[in-house]
Amino acid sequence: GAGVSQSPRYKVAKRGQDVALRCDPISGHVSLFWYQQALGQGPEFLTYFQNEAQLDKSGLPSDRFFAERPEGSVSTLKIQRTQQEDSAVYLCASSLLRRGTGGPRQFFGPGTRLTVL
Amino acid sequence: KQEVTQIPAALSVPEGENLVLNCSFTDSAIYNLQWFRQDPGKGLTSLLLIQSSQREQTSGRLNASLDKSSGRSTLYIAASQPGDSATYLCAVRTGANNLFFGTGTRLTVIP
Repeated sequence: GAGVSQSPRYKVAKRGQDVALRCDPISGHVSLFWYQQALGQGPEFLTYFQNEAQLDKSGLPSDRFFAERPEGSVSTLKIQRTQQEDSAVYLCASSLLRRGTGGPRQFFGPGTRLTVL
Repeated sequence: KQEVTQIPAALSVPEGENLVLNCSFTDSAIYNLQWFRQDPGKGLTSLLLIQSSQREQTSGRLNASLDKSSGRSTLYIAASQPGDSATYLCAVRTGANNLFFGTGTRLTVIP
């Protein structure tokens, strides 16, 4: 079956350019997450959506980072005025919603590797 | 803030050996713990998920244990194969919905 897809897979930007990264979650998955993975590090949380609502954006490193999910399915992560320190792999994950303790499995996309020159 | 540590950072073993990867976390108030596999240039593949009320999970040659009170988890891989070569990440979910990841263990299985 179709998993989480992301595009583009690779993006090279000049410092100061704006970029937009796309995530298509698994159909029917209510929750959507963005993570940033620097080279040699584990992924770090950026932001979380439940349907179209952005419930947590505490991990966004600066106001240059903006995410949206207007119809509760596809999500876009936008980075304005890119800097060299933004170079990383950006991972998207989706999951079903299960309330209470425990938690559903998160399924990850292949990521977008962003290089800022 | 939850801190997740994985040791060793890298491990190289001959094919057929059994091995253990370690993960520790500082805040024991977790909802669940997941072990992932990451191949170079690829995303994350979920291997096992252990809910906070569980002690272990098994899938094929993989067995993961969880000791929440001591903040530790282990991933046991039996009869390792070259195809097991990858980076293994553990991640915990706390009260927030997101996951906190360790930095991973890079495993190489030598034929």
